[in-house]
Amino acid sequence: QVQLVQSGAEVKKPGASVKVSCKASGYTFTSYYVHWVRQAPGQGLDWMGIINAGGGSTNYAEKFQGRVSMTTDTSTSTVYMELSSLRSEDTAVYYCARAGPNVYFDYWGLGTLVTVSS
Amino acid sequence: EIVLTQSPATLSLSPGERATLSCRASQSVRGYLGWYQQKPGQAPRLLIYDTSKRASGIPVRFSGSGSGTDFTLTISSLEPEDFAVYYCQQRANWFSFGGGTKLEIK
Repeated sequence: QVQLVQSGAEVKKPGASVKVSCKASGYTFTSYYVHWVRQAPGQGLDWMGIINAGGGSTNYAEKFQGRVSMTTDTSTSTVYMELSSLRSEDTAVYYCARAGPNVYFDYWGLGTLVTVSS
Repeated sequence: EIVLTQSPATLSLSPGERATLSCRASQSVRGYLGWYQQKPGQAPRLLIYDTSKRASGIPVRFSGSGSGTDFTLTISSLEPEDFAVYYCQQRANWFSFGGGTKLEIK
């Protein structure tokens, strides 16, 4: 069965960076794209970007450009999302989600809570 | 960027009733509209894609309709497990989500 297993919760200080991992299993990793989505406490869903897990090409939402980097490691079927210059407003749960055959978000990880606090 | 506006923000209904949730796009999304359900502490779950196609394992009481800029998610007869937050999402121009509709028990 398809699974996306994310890394554990993080606490960071303002100005620092965070790198969240998402390890995929149960499907051909290199044949799909992976999205990253975040959700601030009590708020809605915010699309951050997408990566081709096989080729590594990316597209980032405009609001995150310059601060986000998504990478892939095909040897371990893992994608990564790194967000830099963290501020308190970046406190959120970060989700990875597979882009299914119709490009929608068909399988999701459980989420990684990133807390930014001094 | 395509902005999706969902209404109402909160919908209070009883089990067995019919729920109608709306999603309006700032420009045409050409039918590339999906719906997700999210329960507290859980990741979202895909319900509907491309306006009206049910995702795998989704009960038939969930249906989607619409075109252009106006879309609707209908739950024909609410079950207790349907009370949750619902988000619409477009893929016509990259990706974006609506602000959500909270479906609560009356």
